[in-house]
Amino acid sequence: RKEVEQDPGPFNVPEGATVAFNCTYSNSASQSFFWYRQDCRKEPKLLMSVYSSGNEDGRFTAQLNRASQYISLLIRDSKLSDSATYLCVVNRGAGGFKTIFGAGTRLFVKA
Amino acid sequence: EAGVTQFPSHSVIEKGQTVTLRCDPISGHDNLYWYRRVMGKEIKFLLHFVKESKQDESGMPNNRFLAERTGGTYSTLKVQPAELEDSGVYFCASSRAAGGGQYEQYFGPGTRLTVT
Repeated sequence: RKEVEQDPGPFNVPEGATVAFNCTYSNSASQSFFWYRQDCRKEPKLLMSVYSSGNEDGRFTAQLNRASQYISLLIRDSKLSDSATYLCVVNRGAGGFKTIFGAGTRLFVKA
Repeated sequence: EAGVTQFPSHSVIEKGQTVTLRCDPISGHDNLYWYRRVMGKEIKFLLHFVKESKQDESGMPNNRFLAERTGGTYSTLKVQPAELEDSGVYFCASSRAAGGGQYEQYFGPGTRLTVT
């Protein structure tokens, strides 16, 4: 079993749809959590850090449930430009040591 | 503010040759990380520097890989001798300590290495 698991995807949604990404992690020592997006043949770009209290940035909402070791990302009112791979990233350790990436979930938003 | 830069963007070498990748982190970022993405697989952690010290190199595949960060600024990752399975995209990232234990990493564009 992988340390960080994500929905395998891909997700195909129409513009304006709401889409949810799920991620679970197995190491209870994990301390910080992030969502990155990666466009084809590009580097990962930080989308959001994920806090225990949950956080929102415009159309994007991230949630963390430490008890269930579960992270989510919700995108509302999807845009064509949201098409990308969404990566769940977990840091094991206070110093950002040993960063673990999920395999990513591909999102296609269609007109 | 300039982002993380990596050089070269692409490298094609023959098996048995040596290649050195370079990463320049964001100015002021003490933390520097190397990652690799092999085709069809997820991004894998290789190692983490804090300034010039290796904090965690548990992800380095074998002793053919050598990373250095002299002076705590830029870093190099040398592969010697290269093997076919070393092909992939090598990403570098940097971060500085943030409040609450969150260490947001910013990635460079990567070096695409092809070993033939």
